[in-house]
Amino acid sequence: DQQVKQNSPSLSVQEGRISILNCDYTNSMFDYFLWYKKYPAEGPTFLISISSIKDKNEDGRFTVFLNKSAKHLSLHIVPSQPGDSAVYFCAASVLIQGAQKLVFGQGTRLTINP
Amino acid sequence: DGGITQSPKYLFRKEGQNVTLSCEQNLNHDAMYWYRQDPGQGLRLIYYSQIVNDFQKGDIAEGYSVSREKKESFPLTVTSAQKNPTAFYLCASRDYSSNQPQHFGDGTRLSIL
Repeated sequence: DQQVKQNSPSLSVQEGRISILNCDYTNSMFDYFLWYKKYPAEGPTFLISISSIKDKNEDGRFTVFLNKSAKHLSLHIVPSQPGDSAVYFCAASVLIQGAQKLVFGQGTRLTINP
Repeated sequence: DGGITQSPKYLFRKEGQNVTLSCEQNLNHDAMYWYRQDPGQGLRLIYYSQIVNDFQKGDIAEGYSVSREKKESFPLTVTSAQKNPTAFYLCASRDYSSNQPQHFGDGTRLSIL
């Protein structure tokens, strides 16, 4: 049962335009959502997060939007740059006996074209 | 410079052998995690540990074992019982008292010959 889904395996965007990556979840118990960026043969690096009590969080070129009623979140990158080309994972967090458990989506490979 | 070190980066083993993947962190984090990534899939949780000498099974613990004898170390053993061990393994840690996100190492790619 895939609790966190990223339905687009890949996305191609022109440099300077907006990149929008989407993520859907099914578990209402998730209280925190994160986006990680991953380059090949490296570990994921944290990008931005949002608490379930908010609907938007912004950090420079990156903005995450959360729509709780639709159980949907999205990551906007604007303007997109070549260095943004990577795989992006959406993750949802739930606390189990005090431990943070992350559930990851399948990832979306973003390619920024010059 | 603080971080998580996973070694080796690439590991080859014969079928039927146990193999241990190393994970060391000098971030003074309490919690440590092991994930597995397969092509086209997200990360799946194998085991996690919140404190020394305590650990819990994740979603896909079968065929794996861990230990947490020291705060900075969380080795993962892939046993011969793991049916499909070839994958990319990622270790993470977190300081849960400060509500920071999980911080990942650079992974070990395990290939069974």
